[in-house]
Amino acid sequence: GENVEQHPSTLSVQEGDSAVIKCTYSDSASNYFPWYKQELGKRPQLIIDIRSNVGEKKDQRIAVTLNKTAKHFSLHITETQPEDSAVYFCASLGNAGNMLTFGGGTRLMVKP
Amino acid sequence: DTGVSQDPRHKITKRGQNVTFRCDPISEHNRLYWYRQTLGQGPEFLTYFQNEAQLEKSRLLSDRFSAERPKGSFSTLEIQRTEQGDSAMYLCASSLATGSTEAFFGQGTRLTVV
Repeated sequence: GENVEQHPSTLSVQEGDSAVIKCTYSDSASNYFPWYKQELGKRPQLIIDIRSNVGEKKDQRIAVTLNKTAKHFSLHITETQPEDSAVYFCASLGNAGNMLTFGGGTRLMVKP
Repeated sequence: DTGVSQDPRHKITKRGQNVTFRCDPISEHNRLYWYRQTLGQGPEFLTYFQNEAQLEKSRLLSDRFSAERPKGSFSTLEIQRTEQGDSAMYLCASSLATGSTEAFFGQGTRLTVV
């Protein structure tokens, strides 16, 4: 089955700096890659997603890039703010099934 | 709140007891998923339904776990003879089967087995 690896597990940045989180996946047939933000005690919420026919997608301070050849995708957050502090999960949707496989998460801490 | 709702939010049970959780998806969503999340980990897929059909259940953790969605609307997840290792957050999510595959999560049911 699909395997998703996420790095780093924790990331601490100064307010205003950029943060980058990277994920790799194993199923070459995977075609949908969402990123979820989960604040303490709350549900995971989708912040951005990308499909396999697109290499990059941007939404204000958040961008995601996808390299299908290398089977990795990354989340970029620019001009980080304290409210960006949360756990971020990448996920991959395999073509064979209909389940999202999640990475292990990255705890992002933005220091004011 | 017209999102995915789960009930109860918290459940404390004694080892060996059976528990049942309920999920009400977004009304027009025909896909419904159950995930388990333990502390510090990403959600782990358990099973999913398209309408009332359970299309994937091989990832259920053991035969003590079962799920139903009898009328294609709400779903229940049952754990029989609970064990301490079952303590976790159980998340439900729903999505449309066509078009966007964005999955919306409920707030989860936190199970503690003592």
